Amino acid sequence: EDQVTQSPEALRLQEGESSSLNCSYTVSGLRGLFWYRQDPGKGPEFLFTLYSAGEEKEKERLKATLTKKESFLHITAPKPEDSATYLCAVQSTSGTYKYIFGTGTRLKVLA
Amino acid sequence: KAGVTQTPRYLIKTRGQQVTLSCSPISGHRSVSWYQQTPGQGLQFLFEYFSETQRNKGNFPGRFSGRQFSNSRSEMNVSTLELGDSALYLCASGTAGADTQYFGPGTRLTVL
Repeated sequence: EDQVTQSPEALRLQEGESSSLNCSYTVSGLRGLFWYRQDPGKGPEFLFTLYSAGEEKEKERLKATLTKKESFLHITAPKPEDSATYLCAVQSTSGTYKYIFGTGTRLKVLA
Repeated sequence: KAGVTQTPRYLIKTRGQQVTLSCSPISGHRSVSWYQQTPGQGLQFLFEYFSETQRNKGNFPGRFSGRQFSNSRSEMNVSTLELGDSALYLCASGTAGADTQYFGPGTRLTVL
């Protein structure tokens, strides 16, 4: 069964303290892996799409990487405005088009 | 380009009632997916429509239904509401099923 596990569930960082969020996945075949950011009471905001192992994408202080079993979202020198829940989702090649989401990592960056 | 819009943003209903939620995708997007988000279960897939056809359905009871119109706008209906249906309902659109999905702001449904 396709599955996505994110860790840690919650993370508190001091401003400027870099860290990484993990997304482990099990799918029959990976069509794509997606990272989103979600603020309380709002819809998820798209960050990155990764398609194959070894691929990397960057945007401001965020960098996403992908291996055959997991993805990392690296946050460099975070700021308080980076505080949010970060969601990972996968789409398999099984013929369906649904996303399977992890439960997210709640990030809090302290000033 | 305008993003995904959802109406209404907030709804309060009582048990046994039914509700219809609306989603307008990004212009040019033909795929619309619906998700239910709750604190305990996270984001759960409801169904996906492409060119007015339901292509996939999640594990929700038949009380949850949807449709898509020729202009790609989509509606989701929940009949005989239960307390457990209280959630944030999210709509996402994409250019095709195998592509990045962009989410709307959601409709917060509260069932009393």
